[in-house]
Amino acid sequence: DIVMTQSPDSLAVSLGERATIHCKSSQSLLYISNNKNYLAWYQQKPGQPPKLLIYWASTRESGVPDRFSGSGSGTDFTLTISSLQAEDVAVYYCQQYYSTPLTFGGGTKVEIK
Amino acid sequence: EVQLVESGGGLVKPGGSLRLSCAASGFTFSSYSMNWVRQAPGKGLEGVASISRTSSYISYGDSVKGRFTISRDNAKNSLYLQMNSLRVEDTAVYYCARDKPSSSWVDASDIWGQGTMVTVSS
Repeated sequence: DIVMTQSPDSLAVSLGERATIHCKSSQSLLYISNNKNYLAWYQQKPGQPPKLLIYWASTRESGVPDRFSGSGSGTDFTLTISSLQAEDVAVYYCQQYYSTPLTFGGGTKVEIK
Repeated sequence: EVQLVESGGGLVKPGGSLRLSCAASGFTFSSYSMNWVRQAPGKGLEGVASISRTSSYISYGDSVKGRFTISRDNAKNSLYLQMNSLRVEDTAVYYCARDKPSSSWVDASDIWGQGTMVTVSS
């Protein structure tokens, strides 16, 4: 199984400042034939199901604010919130869908400083 | 409205069985791969099982392999999870999730249900 490792476990950022979350996979998520990275990012708020933010490592889901961006390739990926808003307080998870079983990172809790 | 509604959760003793259901509406269910994902209290997300559109491809997480069975009935727009030999560590909220349409049999999950709680305790 592919192991997904996120860092940090938690971070506190001031409103309007940048938040950066890292995700590393135990093997490459880049499918050479289509040059796509099979990596997604989700946001989960308390008492709610996860919400898809980013897929193919950098494609924003419809309706997701453009302050959220994803980058990276192969085994190293980053989710960036360019200007943290109060409503962005949540736990963020990366997930690989390169192979089954689907696996998730351990999550990163984002709070306001 | 596109919607997934889980049911069937509850309290069960260790070694017992439970069958979860997920009712889909607002989209052509047979066109999408589906997943069960669980979350233990205060913990992260864990992929439990995945099934392709026609049930040709099925995959399980290591912790449930041999005990859980995923299935679907496209005529009834429903996804199921049969859980046998339940353990205390299976206690979690179980989410049903729809994959984005894709040429692969699995993809990112764009629609999630609200979840159903399963508690395994004596």
